[in-house]
Amino acid sequence: SQQGEEDPQALSIQEGENATMNCSYKTSINNLQWYRQNSGRGLVHLILIRSNEREKHSGRLRVTLDTSKKSSSLLITASRAADTASYFCATDPMYSGGGADGLTFGKGTHLIIQP
Amino acid sequence: EAGVVQSPRYKIIEKKQPVAFWCNPISGHNTLYWYRQNLGQGPELLIRYENEEAVDDSQLPKDRFSAERLKGVDSTLKIQPAELGDSAVYLCASSLDRASLNTEAFFGQGTRLTVV
Repeated sequence: SQQGEEDPQALSIQEGENATMNCSYKTSINNLQWYRQNSGRGLVHLILIRSNEREKHSGRLRVTLDTSKKSSSLLITASRAADTASYFCATDPMYSGGGADGLTFGKGTHLIIQP
Repeated sequence: EAGVVQSPRYKIIEKKQPVAFWCNPISGHNTLYWYRQNLGQGPELLIRYENEEAVDDSQLPKDRFSAERLKGVDSTLKIQPAELGDSAVYLCASSLDRASLNTEAFFGQGTRLTVV
């Protein structure tokens, strides 16, 4: 099963524009993470935001977290062709006492940056 | 420092045959994950280890899938017998220690399995 749900499923923008992706989830979490996956490659960790944080920055990345709405957003500013990839949010759920409580991924947003 | 190493990178087998995947996590990482990723989908958790203990295998199809992590380091994932629907990329990941809540995961390149 997959907890996170990214939106949109696909996004195509011009180089230099900003890209925003959203993630919604269902259960209480310890933290939420964003990963990037280039075609045919493994996943690479981008940023982690803890449940008591609201916003975090890393280079051209900005992540927000709203635990009341169970949602997060990833903003990539000044996009580059090399940012073309699939982006996944992953939730680290609070221990539930049963069921899957490992790092759980959404279906991803496929981002295409047009040169 | 070496990352998570998986082998083989690619595997093609006939249905009903067995197959095994191997993973060597980053040294010192106590948590190890196996995921399955179908084309166009996100990774789905199959099993999570804390050291040598499988603490979450609720998503593992236990009739044909098995996994082990002897001595809390390397891990193998086995499918026997394989079915056509098992074709996917199998990803291994490791992280330092879930108890610390610093659970950034490092992924291997994956094994692409094709069952024909």
